[in-house]
Order: sequence, then structure tokens, then C-alpha cells
Amino acid sequence: AQTVTQSQPEMSVQEAETVTLSCTYDTSESDYYLFWYKQPPSRQMILVIRQEAYKQQNATENRFSVNFQKAAKSFSLKISDSQLGDAAMYFCAYSDSWGKFQFGAGTQVVVTP
Amino acid sequence: DSGVTQTPKHLITATGQRVTLRCSPRSGDLSVYWYQQSLDQGLQFLIQYYNGEERAKGNILERFSAQQFPDLHSELNLSSLELGDSALYFCASSVASTSAQYFGPGTRLLVL
Repeated sequence: AQTVTQSQPEMSVQEAETVTLSCTYDTSESDYYLFWYKQPPSRQMILVIRQEAYKQQNATENRFSVNFQKAAKSFSLKISDSQLGDAAMYFCAYSDSWGKFQFGAGTQVVVTP
Repeated sequence: DSGVTQTPKHLITATGQRVTLRCSPRSGDLSVYWYQQSLDQGLQFLIQYYNGEERAKGNILERFSAQQFPDLHSELNLSSLELGDSALYFCASSVASTSAQYFGPGTRLLVL
């Protein structure tokens, strides 16, 4: 069974600084998809970024970028120029080719002024 | 606003009862997913439907069932409710099974 591990329960970052959230996963599949979702205090789940495993190029979305290391089964998220609105719980997620999802336990990001 | 709607927003019921949660996906999305988020267990994938057919199954209890109707809306039925079923239940939709998912606002279920 696939597992997703987020080893950092909480990360703190100052405004305008950069923070990196780690995520590792375990799978024997070759075709899969990886995601980062953000959940602010409102509890709404918001997609941050998506990566297809067959693509070597790391996905980016504005201030959010990933470092996808397929051989190491690692999928970290970098938040650059952190803003107060980035404060949230961040979930790493894995999907197989059928759309069966597994989420990590989450990392709480705290942004300090 | 993600375009995914869920009703009701809140639900309070008693142990042993049965409830139905409803989800309307974004226009054009064929896949619907259900998740359970409780305080101590994070986000658990329950089940996915694609164009009316069950596509993938996660940690869904036998007391729970779901279906997707021809108009693509979906319902999650929870029966013989227990205290531990109290959670936030999310529905999400996507164009295809592995596309980006868009989440609804969730239904907060409290079982007393």
C-alpha cells in the first residue's frame, strides 16, 4: 500500500522568507501523481500544485515550487517570499493512475511578521 | 469558491441513525471523490466515482456507501452511526481521475 509521510508537524517562517516542507512517499507504481494542498483555518482545501511522475521538470505556481526526486521518492514544497496568507496546514498527497488518493498527516505552517 | 457544492453544511444526529450527504461537482467534472477528515486521523480517502461508476476505493467502512447519479451529483450514505463518525466530510471533483481536484466546503457531522 502507498504511504505518504510528512515528517514536520509544524514549520515557522518569517514574512518574505522561504520555507521548505518535506514529503516522502512509498510506491511500487511507475505512473502516479503528486499534489500539495493547503487548508487554512476556514478548513477549505485548496490545491497548491500538482506534479505528474513521468515529468522530470519540477512544477511551479507563482511563489510555490516543488523539488521532485523520483528515485528518492521525495516531493518537497518550497514557499518563497512567504506571506501571512500562507499560514495554513499543508498536505502532501499521492494518487495512483486510478485516482486512489493517500494524504500525509500535514504540516502546519506558521508565518510570523 | 471552488464550484463544488455540498449539503448540508452541518448535521447533528444520534448514534445508530442514518444520514445522507450530497455533493454537486463542478460543471464538466466527471469524477467525484469523498473524504473524511477527523481531528486525530487527518484526511482519509473514502471512494471515487467516475461518470457514474466506482473507480477507486479507500478506507470506506461497510456502514458507508456512495453513488453517483446520471446527472453526476453524488451522495454518501452513512448508517448505524457511531460517535467516532463525527468528522468533516469533503467532496471533491475533477475532470478526470488524476486531474487536480477541487474541494467543496465540507459537511460537518456531529454524532451524539
